[in-house]
Amino acid sequence: VQLVESGGGLVQPGGSLRLSCVASGFTFSNYAMIWVRQAPGKGLEWVSVIFGRGERTYYADSVRGRFTISRDDSKNTLYLHMNSLRPDDTAVYSCAKRGYGSSWNFDYWGRGSLVTVSS
Amino acid sequence: QSVLTQPPSVSAAPGQKVTMSCSGSSSNIGKNYVSWYQQFPGTAPKLLIYDNDKRPSGIPDRFSASKSGTSATLGITGLQTGDEADYYCGTWDNSLSAVVFGGGTKVTVL
Repeated sequence: VQLVESGGGLVQPGGSLRLSCVASGFTFSNYAMIWVRQAPGKGLEWVSVIFGRGERTYYADSVRGRFTISRDDSKNTLYLHMNSLRPDDTAVYSCAKRGYGSSWNFDYWGRGSLVTVSS
Repeated sequence: QSVLTQPPSVSAAPGQKVTMSCSGSSSNIGKNYVSWYQQFPGTAPKLLIYDNDKRPSGIPDRFSASKSGTSATLGITGLQTGDEADYYCGTWDNSLSAVVFGGGTKVTVL
């Protein structure tokens, strides 16, 4: 299993960015996926979840209305569309695959993509 | 402020045992399984424990966990310098419809 994020970079406040997470080694469409972020020196912050086949999506209060999670199962790719970016969105953004059974655990994580929001 | 509360740090000497708590509520830990993650600086989190107390293959039995009510505990026995890392608990919150994590506990080997 591999998860590889891309699309991060430096963006001005109010700008937009789209992150991608390419998955391999498992049947991507069968699994819920999440985006998590980690600001410098801080802990894990859950951003969003999308269920298998995109049936449902949920967002953290801090990003709801600004970020959109989506997936293209034909390309084994997870996306995070980020709009109206703010300096406090600066973080490493990682994707993770839901793991064992039906509980909310995440058995594989990507290495992350750094997003810096600054003028 | 994280939904799940963890102590910022714990420490113990090599070979000793360390435990860390994860406190939640009836809408998260009280109703859902807890998982635990180990993270070294600059690396991705690694799943240590799922379904409250189960270890994925390859995780040594020095790592154990339990859940009672709205709290969970992770324990590490035979502490090694290589165990120095940040540890996070996580679960689902039914009221928030969200994945929730604790703020993390830094383990220091004295």
